[in-house]
This record gives sequence, C-alpha cells and structure tokens, in this order.
Amino acid sequence: GAGVSQSPRYKVAKRGQDVALRCDPISGHVSLFWYQQALGQGPEFLTYFQNEAQLDKSGLPSDRFFAERPEGSVSTLKIQRTQQEDSAVYLCASSSANPWADSNQPQHFGDGTRLSIL
Amino acid sequence: DAKTTQPPSMDCAEGRAANLPCNHSTISGNEYVYWYRQIHSQGPQYIIHGLKNNETNEMASLIITEDRKSSTLILPHATLRDTAVYYCIVGGDFGNEKLTFGTGTRLTIIP
Repeated sequence: GAGVSQSPRYKVAKRGQDVALRCDPISGHVSLFWYQQALGQGPEFLTYFQNEAQLDKSGLPSDRFFAERPEGSVSTLKIQRTQQEDSAVYLCASSSANPWADSNQPQHFGDGTRLSIL
Repeated sequence: DAKTTQPPSMDCAEGRAANLPCNHSTISGNEYVYWYRQIHSQGPQYIIHGLKNNETNEMASLIITEDRKSSTLILPHATLRDTAVYYCIVGGDFGNEKLTFGTGTRLTIIP
C-alpha cells in the first residue's frame, strides 16, 4: 500500500525566500509529525497534529516556521524568510494511533524533503 | 536529550547475526523501547518495539534485560541491505508522542 509521501523531494531556495513542503500521510492516519534532520544527526521533532488540531509545536525553531493540516489529512510545513541554517531534511511521519483505541502504533516516515538554502 | 546510549559504529560480516546494544538505564516503568533504522537518503523505518518481554518479528528480535536497563536488537542473518544507522529510542505512547532520536549506531555489513 501507499506509504507517507513527501514533495518536493529536493528544494533549493535563496536566502529570504519562503518555501512550502507537503506531506501526504497514510490514508486514515490520525497522527502526523514533522521532524528536522541536520546532516549527520538524528531527526529532531518539530510539531505534532492529531487530525486537524496542532497539539504540540514546541519543536518549531522560530516563528518563521508554520505548519498546518486544515482537513486532517495533508499537511504543509511553511518556512518564511529562509536562512542558511534552515538547510536540512524535513521528515513527515504518520501513525494510526488515536486516544480512543490502541494508541501504541508505530510512526511511519516518508523519505523527506531535502531543503538547501543558498 | 536522548535517554539512550549506543555505540557510534559497528561492523558485521554478511550472513552473520548482528547484535546492536543499547543502554537505557533511566527508563521508567511505562516506557517502551523502540528501534528504527535509516538507510541512506531514506526516512527512518520502524523495526520493532517492546516493553518487558522479548519480541520477534519478520525483521528482527529484541532482547530486553530483566531490569530493563539495556536491550539488544538482533538481525539474525545480516545482508548488505541491512547497512544503515540504527536508532534505539525510549518513550511512552509513540503513536501520539514525539520520538527523541539520538545519533544511533552506524552498522556496516561487510561482504
């Protein structure tokens, strides 16, 4: 079956430009996560949605980062006025876990968007 | 900060069992141990998880010590495709909670 799909796969932008990264989770998955992975490091949490509700955005590094999931399926991570330190791989993960059923379901990851800021 | 300690790198001969250790001495009673791996240029792939008992699936086995302070991931017959970074993660309800990755173990399978 289809897994988590992220687009674009690669994105190059000039410093100061705005970018939008898309995540299509596995169909029916309630939970959706965004992570940022710098070169040579493990992924770091950015934000978490349960359906359309953003329940945790504690990992967003600045107010230039904004995420949304308006209909509880596709999610977009937007970065405004990009800086060179924003260069990283941005990973999206989804899970079928929800508070009303078996909640300990694994997070399934997409292959990420590699963002390079020049 | 990550709550686990793993060796930075390991080698294993193709066809042999790969045993990846993980220390998690501060694990609490309701926390699980999860293993993911990340092959170059791909997203992390879920392998297995456990709470107290040893677990086995089609990919690997997870052995958790009785005091739960450490565990070992076992790939029974390593292939070249198993070359990856392996992450041991400790956490609660991982479907609804963020995963805290460390730097993992870079496993290289040698032909």
